[in-house]
Amino acid sequence: DQQVKQNSPSLSVQEGRISILNCDYTNSMFDYFLWYKKYPAEGPTFLISISSIKDKNEDGRFTVFLNKSAKHLSLHIVPSQPGDSAVYFCAAQPTGTASKLTFGTGTRLQVTL
Amino acid sequence: DAGVTQSPTHLIKTRGQHVTLRCSPISGHKSVSWYQQVLGQGPQFIFQYYEKEERGRGNFPDRFSARQFPNYSSELNVNALLLGDSALYLCASSPRTSGRSDTQYFGPGTRLTVL
Repeated sequence: DQQVKQNSPSLSVQEGRISILNCDYTNSMFDYFLWYKKYPAEGPTFLISISSIKDKNEDGRFTVFLNKSAKHLSLHIVPSQPGDSAVYFCAAQPTGTASKLTFGTGTRLQVTL
Repeated sequence: DAGVTQSPTHLIKTRGQHVTLRCSPISGHKSVSWYQQVLGQGPQFIFQYYEKEERGRGNFPDRFSARQFPNYSSELNVNALLLGDSALYLCASSPRTSGRSDTQYFGPGTRLTVL
């Protein structure tokens, strides 16, 4: 049972445009959500997070939106840059624990010139 | 400050052998978690350790075990290796074990190949 789903395996966006990566979850116990970026042969790099008490969090070019009623979150990257090309993982953490992240299967973002 | 470090980087073993993977957390972090990532999937949670005690365990067989040392470093052990154990093994550290907003930071991983 896939509790965190990233339904788009890949996404291609032109440099300078907005990239929108989506993530859906099914477990109501999740209350902290994170996005990680991963290059080949490297570990995931933390990008941005959001607590369930918020619906938006911004950090520079990255914004995460959370819609609790729809159990949906999205990561917006504006403007997209070629260096953003990587695999992006959505992860969720249940209430009361700081570990046991549940990850989605990832979305490969390619930013073209 | 150094990030999470893992050793070795790559490892090749044969079926039935045993392997030990090592992880050093970020300085000041007391919680270490282990994840397995197979090709095409997201990382899967294996264990969490905090203050040398197991605080969480994922859906992995008893062939997988781990421990945490007084300096908060950790080892992951896998016995009786199977071909399906071939994966990238990731270690993550965080300052504590509970509460909101506790982000995990990952190391570069150990690539294990079982032949």
